Amino acid sequence: DTEVTQTPKHLVMGMTNKKSLKCEQHMGHRAMYWYKQKAKKPPELMFVYSYEKLSINESVPSRFSPECPNSSLLNLHLHALQPEDSALYLCASSHFSGSTDTQYFGPGTRLTVL
Amino acid sequence: RKEVEQDPGPFNVPEGATVAFNCTYSNSASQSFFWYRQDCRKEPKLLMSVYSSGNEDGRFTAQLNRASQYISLLIRDSKLSDSATYLCVVNGHNQGGKLIFGQGTELSVKP
Repeated sequence: DTEVTQTPKHLVMGMTNKKSLKCEQHMGHRAMYWYKQKAKKPPELMFVYSYEKLSINESVPSRFSPECPNSSLLNLHLHALQPEDSALYLCASSHFSGSTDTQYFGPGTRLTVL
Repeated sequence: RKEVEQDPGPFNVPEGATVAFNCTYSNSASQSFFWYRQDCRKEPKLLMSVYSSGNEDGRFTAQLNRASQYISLLIRDSKLSDSATYLCVVNGHNQGGKLIFGQGTELSVKP
């Protein structure tokens, strides 16, 4: 079973709101990822967690704050977002964060910032 | 030069056609290679990993030429359900799992 789940499916928030996106996998994967995807563009990596530790931050603004409470869960906390942050946010996981590991994506959260 | 480049597309083909997607990558140290497909407003889904020996899965054949840094995907006898965007993806060497995506090639299969 290569399932990654994400909640919520859709989220609309104002620029002053605080919200969180959640991602879960039960495949025993030790690497988890957050990507952002705008329409007609490929996904862009935001963060990588390896063994529950942040290993890559692709210079993401601090209004996005990732958290990995345990090996199965990954959160993305959102605060003071801008309308240009509206996008599809994808979570992915892989066995490890090595260069030969296949990443499996969740269905994404479609975020709209008003 | 982009790290991963694909045919710009879109490709519009009739059912039953054979379609070829091409992709080149710039980092010769890249370790692994994939084709993902992405349906409209859905997540990318792994279609195939790509190996130097080539691999086939039903109507789909993927090839890798490391010397030319070139990856291909061939779809034979295309179906309406093959309509999607096809993403060429490369996993770099010692990049902590960072995937490098091509821009994607949109395929539309018409009756």
